[in-house]
Amino acid sequence: SQQGEEDPQALSIQEGENATMNCSYKTSINNLQWYRQNSGRGLVHLILIRSNEREKHSGRLRVTLDTSKKSSSLLITASRAADTASYFCATNQAGTALIFGKGTTLSVSS
Amino acid sequence: EAQVTQNPRYLITVTGKKLTVTCSQNMNHEYMSWYRQDPGLGLRQIYYSMNVEVTDKGDVPEGYKVSRKEKRNFPLILESPSPNQTSLYFCASATRGLDEQYFGPGTRLTVT
Repeated sequence: SQQGEEDPQALSIQEGENATMNCSYKTSINNLQWYRQNSGRGLVHLILIRSNEREKHSGRLRVTLDTSKKSSSLLITASRAADTASYFCATNQAGTALIFGKGTTLSVSS
Repeated sequence: EAQVTQNPRYLITVTGKKLTVTCSQNMNHEYMSWYRQDPGLGLRQIYYSMNVEVTDKGDVPEGYKVSRKEKRNFPLILESPSPNQTSLYFCASATRGLDEQYFGPGTRLTVT
């Protein structure tokens, strides 16, 4: 059961630009998490936002959550070539499983 | 160093030959999970375990078995692998609240 759906599927930007990717989900959640995956490697946790939070920051990352619209966005500011990766949102429903979306592939060119 | 390890990292096998992919974590996490990742389909959960001797099916459990006899280990067993199980497999672990999952490096399995 796919819970989170990222949009866009792919995004290409220049270094220094901001990258925004969105995630929509279907049912109530405890929290929503964003992960990053470099090609063929394991996913790495980036940031978690709880259902009672609206915005969270971590370094160059900014995450928003709108529970009324069942959507979240991840903003990466001042992108670098090293940010090139796939980004996944994952929703935590009742603490029993994390359901991942299909991901957004970000390409940052220098 | 906190980590999740998987072995083997790469495996090529033939249809029907039983295999086991091991997963071990050193963080004393209650929760462990197996995913498969296929192009265009994202990560799909195969099985998960909330604690020792407690396992549950995920979205795509057919053709797989798991066991959780010890807290640190969560092996994935393919009793009779088929070509449609060719995929990239990830093991992950987390604390009980699932606030952050730690992923292993992945096992690339090819079944011919």
